[in-house]
Formats: sequence, structure tokens, C-alpha cells
Amino acid sequence: EEQFVESGGGLVQPGGSLRLSCVASGFTFRSYWMTWVRQAPGKGLEWVANIKQDGNEIYYVDSVKGRFTISRDNAKRSLYLQMNSLRAEDTAVYYCARWRLGDYYYHMDVWGKGTTVTVSS
Amino acid sequence: NFMLTQPHSVSESPGKTVTVSCTRSSGSIASNYVQWYQQRPGRSPTTVIYENNQRPSGVPDRFSGSIDSSSNSASLTISGLKTEDEADYYCQSYDNSNPVVFGGGTKLTVL
Repeated sequence: EEQFVESGGGLVQPGGSLRLSCVASGFTFRSYWMTWVRQAPGKGLEWVANIKQDGNEIYYVDSVKGRFTISRDNAKRSLYLQMNSLRAEDTAVYYCARWRLGDYYYHMDVWGKGTTVTVSS
Repeated sequence: NFMLTQPHSVSESPGKTVTVSCTRSSGSIASNYVQWYQQRPGRSPTTVIYENNQRPSGVPDRFSGSIDSSSNSASLTISGLKTEDEADYYCQSYDNSNPVVFGGGTKLTVL
């Protein structure tokens, strides 16, 4: 079964840091783009960042640029999100997902269960 | 940056057909493919439509997607509604500057 297990969420004070991890199983991790998507409490989905198979192409939503860093370790089948200078508005469930190429473009076809990040004093 | 606008909520009875719209604020809806994700309460999202009208394996053919250039919008249509279809639905597209843009989501109630 293709799946992800996220970890690393928790309660952190404003200005603090957290590192999220996502371990993949059931498919060839190194063959796919990966993405992080978050969902604030009671709100909709928000894309956070994407990373190419080899890690050499990365994209971020404007609101996290300069504060968050996406990375991956294909040998460990793992995706990471280093989050620094955290703000209250970063409070959300963070999902990792596989960003799969269809016939013409990409879509998220396998999602993790999410890990919760709460930024509060 | 463009936005994708969805109705906050829709409701319909079991067995009926419902359509959820997704209107693009700028740029042509036809220029970039649209995806639709279903999120049942307390669950992770899943894909129900990708590339405007393609269904992943396992998604019933009661789900269909389309685009309408005249209204610059995409639509998700669910026929033969079942109570299990009750969920939040999100459209998603992109452009050259933004690889992923989600709509605000639509809560579907099957009553």
C-alpha cells in the first residue's frame, strides 16, 4: 500500500522552529515530486511547497519563503519541512502528498494523515 | 496571482445531481488543468478528478468534471448522490508563477 507517515508536529512558541518529517512506503519515493499542504483549523487547503525528485527544483508559497525549507532524502524515503520563525498563522495540520504527473500536469494522488502544528505562547 | 472561487456550501438530496462551481479570477480556465479533491470529515483529501475530467481508478463514474470558458469556471458534478459523498470539495489549478492554487472549498451536504 502506498502511504506516508508524518511526524514532528507539536506546540511551539511564536518565533520558534519545528522540523516535520514524512516517511514514504509502498512505492519508489525517488521517482516522484513531493509536496506539503497545510490546513488551518476550520479552514481550507493551502499549498506550502514542492520539491522535485532530485531536490534541485523547489517552489514555495509566498507566505513561507525565507522561513520554511523543504528537503528530501531519497535513501531514507523521507520528505522534510524545516519551519523557522513560526507565527500564529502557521498553525495548521500539515499534510505531505505525492505530486504525480498525469497525462499533462501534476496532481496530488497520495496523502498522508497529517501532523498538527500549533504556534502559541 | 489568481484566485479560485467556490460557493461556501451546497446541499441536495440522495439520488439527485449536484454541481459545484469553481471560478477563476484572472487568466483563462482553459489554459491550465483543474483538479478536484474530496475531504471527508476528519480525513485526508483524496483526488476525485484530475486534468479537468479524468477520474482516478476507484472513483465512481458518478463524479465528472468539466470546464466552461464562457464563465471562466470549472465544475464538479456528482450524480446519484449518496450520503457518503457528504464532504468538502476543493478545486485546484495553477499558472506559470504558482504551481498549486486551491479554491476555498465547498461543503456538500446530502440531506
